[in-house]
Amino acid sequence: NAGVTQTPKFQVLKTGQSMTLQCAQDMNHNSMYWYRQDPGMGLRLIYYSASEGTTDKGEVPNGYNVSRLNKREFSLRLESAAPSQTSVYFCASRPPRQGSGSNQPQHFGDGTRLSIL
Amino acid sequence: DAKTTQPNSMESNEEEPVHLPCNHSTISGTDYIHWYRQLPSQGPEYVIHGLTSNVNNRMASLAIAEDRKSSTLILHRATLRDAAVYYCILRYGGSQGNLIFGKGTKLSVKP
Repeated sequence: NAGVTQTPKFQVLKTGQSMTLQCAQDMNHNSMYWYRQDPGMGLRLIYYSASEGTTDKGEVPNGYNVSRLNKREFSLRLESAAPSQTSVYFCASRPPRQGSGSNQPQHFGDGTRLSIL
Repeated sequence: DAKTTQPNSMESNEEEPVHLPCNHSTISGTDYIHWYRQLPSQGPEYVIHGLTSNVNNRMASLAIAEDRKSSTLILHRATLRDAAVYYCILRYGGSQGNLIFGKGTKLSVKP
């Protein structure tokens, strides 16, 4: 089972360059998420997509854009990379809620390690 | 949002049980208690969750205090592969459903 697949696994950019991080899930999940993780810290939400065609900002959206291309794919774009965006980026997906509780577990990819010089 | 408090680090010996504590004194009545772990160089991995009753699955057990102000993740026999950062998470962020992570507990397992 592939689960959540992120590409690339590693990337080095120069300040000002742009790039797109790709994420795809094969579990037919509705919700997808992009998080970043800085050294020694927990993950922080960048953007979220509840379903195909919808996206919402999370805690740290500045400097990023996202596209929910279809149900499977959710991409994260850095238009003009800055050293402060050096981080590990994780994509996650989650199945629909069951009942009234938001208790469905999230499934994570293995991350993209991004360095910006 | 309700907060959780976990020790920064813990050590265990291989094949011994491990009890990872989490305090959440401001938990609301509808908050589920979730545990995720993150192995080195990997994304977080779901471990277990519960609301009021103790829960068991193939990975671990979750013991929830009667007043729900604390919980304990129990690994019955630690292996080297269980060395990871363990996150206790109370709720998803509003309508977005995202996880709100703290710094977690770094578990080291000695052979």
